[in-house]
Amino acid sequence: TQLLEQSPQFLSIQEGENLTVYCNSSSVFSSLQWYRQEPGEGPVLLVTVVTGGEVKKLKRLTFQFGDARKDSSLHITAAQPGDTGLYLCASRSGGYQKVTFGIGTKLQVIP
Amino acid sequence: DAGVIQSPRHEVTEMGQEVTLRCKPISGHDYLFWYRQTMMRGLELLIYFNNNVPIDDSGMPEDRFSAKMPNASFSTLKIQPSEPRDSAVYFCASRLMADTQYFGPGTRLTVL
Repeated sequence: TQLLEQSPQFLSIQEGENLTVYCNSSSVFSSLQWYRQEPGEGPVLLVTVVTGGEVKKLKRLTFQFGDARKDSSLHITAAQPGDTGLYLCASRSGGYQKVTFGIGTKLQVIP
Repeated sequence: DAGVIQSPRHEVTEMGQEVTLRCKPISGHDYLFWYRQTMMRGLELLIYFNNNVPIDDSGMPEDRFSAKMPNASFSTLKIQPSEPRDSAVYFCASRLMADTQYFGPGTRLTVL
């Protein structure tokens, strides 16, 4: 099972600031997913990245997959209180059937 | 669609009691997953089913845990007997083939 390390574990910022969170592994990802989980709810898939060097944008969120496919980052521009939540990265294995999650980055955006 | 439905949303029980968590996947989905989430260990896969058949239960912590899927629209996760260290949020998720995995709202279990 691939181990995923996420950093930082906690992040508290003011509305309007930019931030980046990271997901790393010692082994190569076949693909990588980012989820957001709001309090009292289940995780919701934001994006899947597959190709090394790939960059995907979702409004103010920019996801990057490292060239070596061992790391990924999520950058949020001009954070808003609605961005508050737990951001999880996940990799698929076992013939793509099993999803392994990192511990997550808990983000709080203060109005 | 109503999404993945889990019940109960909250469960408080005493150590030694049997606990049954329930899940109704999204209609037409052929994969169903049970996860457990804690602060210390994050989100862990317990077991998953494909077309109602258990495929991988290597994440089930011990024999006190069991899961069933008697039909395509219902699954249960049972803990007997429950222990305080089982306290966590338990999520059910479903998926169609290799498509996106959809999570339910979770059941928060507290074992006293």
